[in-house]
Amino acid sequence: LAKTTQPISMDSYEGQEVNITCSHNNIATNDYITWYQQFPSQGPRFIIQGYKTKVTNEVASLFIPADRKSSTLSLPRVSLSDTAVYYCLVALTSGTYKYIFGTGTRLKVLA
Amino acid sequence: DADVTQTPRNRITKTGKRIMLECSQTKGHDRMYWYRQDPGLGLRLIYYSFDVKDINKGEISDGYSVSRQAQAKFSLSLESAIPNQTALYFCATSDVPGLHTDTQYFGPGTRLTVL
Repeated sequence: LAKTTQPISMDSYEGQEVNITCSHNNIATNDYITWYQQFPSQGPRFIIQGYKTKVTNEVASLFIPADRKSSTLSLPRVSLSDTAVYYCLVALTSGTYKYIFGTGTRLKVLA
Repeated sequence: DADVTQTPRNRITKTGKRIMLECSQTKGHDRMYWYRQDPGLGLRLIYYSFDVKDINKGEISDGYSVSRQAQAKFSLSLESAIPNQTALYFCATSDVPGLHTDTQYFGPGTRLTVL
């Protein structure tokens, strides 16, 4: 069962690029990597998902090296509204369900 | 996400009471989940259901039960509530995952306090 390790918290300033790295040393062949964002008193919201190399969407990029033992969520030009908790998860696409949330990274964006 | 609703949004109850939390979704997804979140911690999976006839225990199912009444409805029950079940409870749904893709959609949460 793949477990993830992320920094507990990070601070950034508005307009900066933020990179949050997640370690998942025990990732299995069929596991993929997903990132969620959670604001206080709200449910998590899907940000991005990937299996290898690089994935980009309208809000973020996800970088996954060849060994897949880590991944980096990149948020370009953050704003105050990006202050939230960010969770990195690994999960199987089939078989027994394994979708484990860790404690996440608390990102605080400062003016 | 308005497509996933939870009732009630807040509930205060006493130790020993039976409580039911309800979740409904209009996304047409087969898969539904119940999580709990404690202050400062991540989410932990309680139960999940891949279709109406499929119910599975998650990490922390003790003290909880579920019912999948229909594709769109998934209820979580605390048979005899205890104070350490005070938490924020989230329902989520997802479609059948594709190759290396799987997205969960979460409800707004139910804040439960057990006195």
